[in-house]
Amino acid sequence: TQLLEQSPQFLSIQEGENLTVYCNSSSVFSSLQWYRQEPGEGPVLLVTVVTGGEVKKLKRLTFQFGDARKDSSLHITAAQPGDTGLYLCAALSGTYKYIFGTGTRLKVLA
Amino acid sequence: DTAVSQTPKYLVTQMGNDKSIKCEQNLGHDTMYWYKQDSKKFLKIMFSYNNKELIINETVPNRFSPKSPDKAHLNLHINSLELGDSAVYFCASSQMGGYTFGSGTRLTVV
Repeated sequence: TQLLEQSPQFLSIQEGENLTVYCNSSSVFSSLQWYRQEPGEGPVLLVTVVTGGEVKKLKRLTFQFGDARKDSSLHITAAQPGDTGLYLCAALSGTYKYIFGTGTRLKVLA
Repeated sequence: DTAVSQTPKYLVTQMGNDKSIKCEQNLGHDTMYWYKQDSKKFLKIMFSYNNKELIINETVPNRFSPKSPDKAHLNLHINSLELGDSAVYFCASSQMGGYTFGSGTRLTVV
């Protein structure tokens, strides 16, 4: 069974701090996505990475796909309260199905 | 104009009842999904339809029956509801890329 483990599970930090969230698997994936979910809403796609070693930046967020395409990281610089939410990685398993990671709940305190 | 809309937002019902959740997308996507998010925020795929054809049917009790009258609609009917069915159910659509999720239906079985 393919499994995406995220760490840490919970993270509470002060505004302005940097943080990194990890998504790990023993399987190789052709693409990986990151989503952010806010309370009462569905997950919203942040980025898709497809090439091993690929790095993508979205303002203060930096996403990296591992060289072996088994893992990914999300780094947030100078976190803000608006970054608070549940961060989910998701990997393509087959043609149509993405499996989701275990999630990281981030809280940024003002 | 909401891209993926699902109704109702909240559903409280007694054990043994039958209920339906409706989903509509106006993005022109070919593929639609139902996901279940449990109390630990883990998202698990249940079903997927591509152009009205069932393509993914995970290990889900047969009390759950999806129906897709056209490629813009995917409904979920649940028979004989049980306490363990309580969760947030998300509809999503995609076009060979990332998902667009609805805002979820919180089902509570009492």
